[in-house]
Amino acid sequence: DTAVSQTPKYLVTQMGNDKSIKCEQNLGHDTMYWYKQDSKKFLKIMFSYNNKELIINETVPNRFSPKSPDKAHLNLHINSLELGDSAVYFCASSQVSAVAGSLDFGPGTRLLVL
Amino acid sequence: AQSVTQLDSQVPVFEEAPVELRCNYSSSVSVYLFWYVQYPNQGLQLLLKYLSGSTLVESINGFEAEFNKSQTSFHLRKPSVHISDTAEYFCAVNAGNNRKLIWGLGTSLAVNP
Repeated sequence: DTAVSQTPKYLVTQMGNDKSIKCEQNLGHDTMYWYKQDSKKFLKIMFSYNNKELIINETVPNRFSPKSPDKAHLNLHINSLELGDSAVYFCASSQVSAVAGSLDFGPGTRLLVL
Repeated sequence: AQSVTQLDSQVPVFEEAPVELRCNYSSSVSVYLFWYVQYPNQGLQLLLKYLSGSTLVESINGFEAEFNKSQTSFHLRKPSVHISDTAEYFCAVNAGNNRKLIWGLGTSLAVNP
């Protein structure tokens, strides 16, 4: 009974391709996030949705487009993949009524762009 | 603007030795502070947090952290580490009513036999 799950776990693809990563949480949380972790372990928030509404949209290339069909799901679509997109992408969730910072993370999707 | 500084990028230590991972923050308002742990090839897990009240907070696996407002620090300590504590540790701060965490760059703890 995984709390925050992501698919796929690994993604190897060629430059220029389009790919999607899916995330689902079964915690009943109302806020979901996408984070990018680079090879130096630096964590950068990309997007956050609260009840399907975009509330955080950091400076991210517009090739990245999040979609939240309902509050339990947040997907990330990436167009025209570039070498610099290689990273680990983490989905996370939280309850907005709780203190922001108590996040539950998924296991990550390791993206390698060749 | 808030910021978080983890003063050591790598901390090598022998098993059963004590360890301290240092974290300093800057903020002009009251803060909530967090330590997250990332074991190899896994996602991050909340280790412990300071919201209010007692300045010393503990985790279930023997780690503790102390909020020091005058020194704007939230250092993480464990009196005796195990091999299984080998991981990346992240300090994070949420200041005021901000929905976004500010993250440190992480400290890699390597516990050697």
